[in-house]
Amino acid sequence: EAQVTQNPRYLITVTGKKLTVTCSQNMNHEYMSWYRQDPGLGLRQIYYSMNVEVTDKGDVPEGYKVSRKEKRNFPLILESPSPNQTSLYFCASSHANPTDTQYFGPGTRLTVL
Amino acid sequence: DQQVKQNSPSLSVQEGRISILNCDYTNSMFDYFLWYKKYPAEGPTFLISISSIKDKNEDGRFTVFLNKSAKHLSLHIVPSQPGDSAVYFCAASAVGNTPLVFGKGTRLSVIA
Repeated sequence: EAQVTQNPRYLITVTGKKLTVTCSQNMNHEYMSWYRQDPGLGLRQIYYSMNVEVTDKGDVPEGYKVSRKEKRNFPLILESPSPNQTSLYFCASSHANPTDTQYFGPGTRLTVL
Repeated sequence: DQQVKQNSPSLSVQEGRISILNCDYTNSMFDYFLWYKKYPAEGPTFLISISSIKDKNEDGRFTVFLNKSAKHLSLHIVPSQPGDSAVYFCAASAVGNTPLVFGKGTRLSVIA
């Protein structure tokens, strides 16, 4: 089954404790992206990747890092999480371009205390 | 500066009637527009798209209209069904396949 998986689905952590949210897709997609969804703000892009070893900042990259060492994986790293990073995070992938149909993961709800 | 605006946070429609969700944009470089639908506890799913060379695109009960001069697009759902109750996001991409810019979303409730 074609899918985008994210782990963990839920996470409660404390300020400053490094964490990684994994994202994996099995569709051999080139384009991958991370978004955060906040009440009243919709979906905002954090980082995206056009292919292996090619990443770029989205609209709200501060406090986040990503890597794309393999085509299927695109982890989101919070080196020192802060309460303002409490949010619902979505990973997405598409064939080659952002305008191709993007397939979203189920979301990771992160709470930073 | 919000480039994609969905000014109605919510909309309630009776089952069987038409739902019209609106979206305005400010960036004249946008040339491709998409609608995504999101149910609670799930990721968004693609619904329908339209290129700026068209003014209408239809897929079953869903039609998207684009008015370039007004920088406005709308999604029509006819007839509306209870299963259409979800949050709908409008998104746009500029020339050159730039990353999508999403609106804040409109929550549609279809009442039986």
